[in-house]
Amino acid sequence: QQPVQSPQAVILREGEDAVINCSSSKALYSVHWYRQKHGEAPIFLMILLKGGEQKGHDKISASFNEKKQQSSLYLTASQLSYSGTYFCGTEQAGGGNKLTFGTGTQLKVEL
Amino acid sequence: NAGVMQNPRHLVRRRGQEARLRCSPMKGHSHVYWYRQLPEEGLKFMVYLQKENIIDESGMPKERFSAEFPKEGPSILRIQQVVRGDSAAYFCASSPPTSGRGKTQYFGPGTRLLVL
Repeated sequence: QQPVQSPQAVILREGEDAVINCSSSKALYSVHWYRQKHGEAPIFLMILLKGGEQKGHDKISASFNEKKQQSSLYLTASQLSYSGTYFCGTEQAGGGNKLTFGTGTQLKVEL
Repeated sequence: NAGVMQNPRHLVRRRGQEARLRCSPMKGHSHVYWYRQLPEEGLKFMVYLQKENIIDESGMPKERFSAEFPKEGPSILRIQQVVRGDSAAYFCASSPPTSGRGKTQYFGPGTRLLVL
């Protein structure tokens, strides 16, 4: 069963912030976040391992609550280049290394 | 450092033909994953391979699909007797040969298969 992401779509003005959520019904070992532009490969953003780790990368950060099986991606001071579809990929506890990807969140940043 | 390479980037086949998709992992990576993406949908896991071994094929359709990762050369995803429903983007990802879980997967540019 694939993780559920919310919101499904969001439109921002440049400089605004956004939060994308990923929720799984399964116990998780790790959460991986990717951004994909239309017709291109998914680009790796970050990985969060169980233990409540919060990671950051420039103005993009994320958190992982393993008890709730939820992760959130935080985009701060959005830029035009942030536009794309964001996917969370979950690695289930006991499920091997494969990733189960979420439903995706379409993000559009406008001037 | 070259990334994950896939070829061809676009492939057109008629119903009943065979499709062969190739994936060369990043330098130093020995784990390969294949995912399929239908238009406007997320990625669906198909198969996970290490050199000469299939580790997890739980996402592979039972018929017509096969994958290999030989000791030498690229990983190959083979689809026999293609049908229109096989039209999709097929992505390959690779990860380093470290043990354990939580390995980052880096994706290639994908092969867009169109079945006429």
